[in-house]
Amino acid sequence: DTAVSQTPKYLVTQMGNDKSIKCEQNLGHDTMYWYKQDSKKFLKIMFSYNNKELIINETVPNRFSPKSPDKAHLNLHINSLELGDSAVYFCASSHANQPQHFGDGTRLSIL
Amino acid sequence: LAKTTQPISMDSYEGQEVNITCSHNNIATNDYITWYQQFPSQGPRFIIQGYKTKVTNEVASLFIPADRKSSTLSLPRVSLSDTAVYYCLVNRDSSYKLIFGSGTRLLVRP
Repeated sequence: DTAVSQTPKYLVTQMGNDKSIKCEQNLGHDTMYWYKQDSKKFLKIMFSYNNKELIINETVPNRFSPKSPDKAHLNLHINSLELGDSAVYFCASSHANQPQHFGDGTRLSIL
Repeated sequence: LAKTTQPISMDSYEGQEVNITCSHNNIATNDYITWYQQFPSQGPRFIIQGYKTKVTNEVASLFIPADRKSSTLSLPRVSLSDTAVYYCLVNRDSSYKLIFGSGTRLLVRP
């Protein structure tokens, strides 16, 4: 049973397209996150939702829009994809004050 | 948020004990120290967390001196499967805004 699952695992698309990455957690956590890991392997937080409310919104282009339909899901929609968006995107979840559980990532490649 | 400094890489051999030290000179009173492990093509995985003194679980020990300005992750008797990147983080609590540094790339050789 996968605790935090992301789809798709790989995403290859062209510049200018719009794409979405889905994330689901079956741990009953109330907080979910999106991180970006670039080619230099630095992991940076992008967004966090607690009980479907946005609580962290780092300096991320507004082409990136998270959507949380319920506590178990946090999807990431990206408009007008650019070359610099190529990275691995990780979803994570946690209970308040507890360690975060990460998915295995979505590798996004922009052609 | 306290910045952390850890070695870029370490080499070890199977069966040895590995100690990875992390410096966090600006740690605040309310900060916890957390270590994550990341294998290639996977997300980070929580290893251990502590506030002071020593914490031990089934995979590792965490040693924190009284001044809390550093911490040491100890992996007993490593195996090839322990080859990974290990991140030391300092944060107010485990939730919310985790700040990952560059980590320590551990290579375990046969």
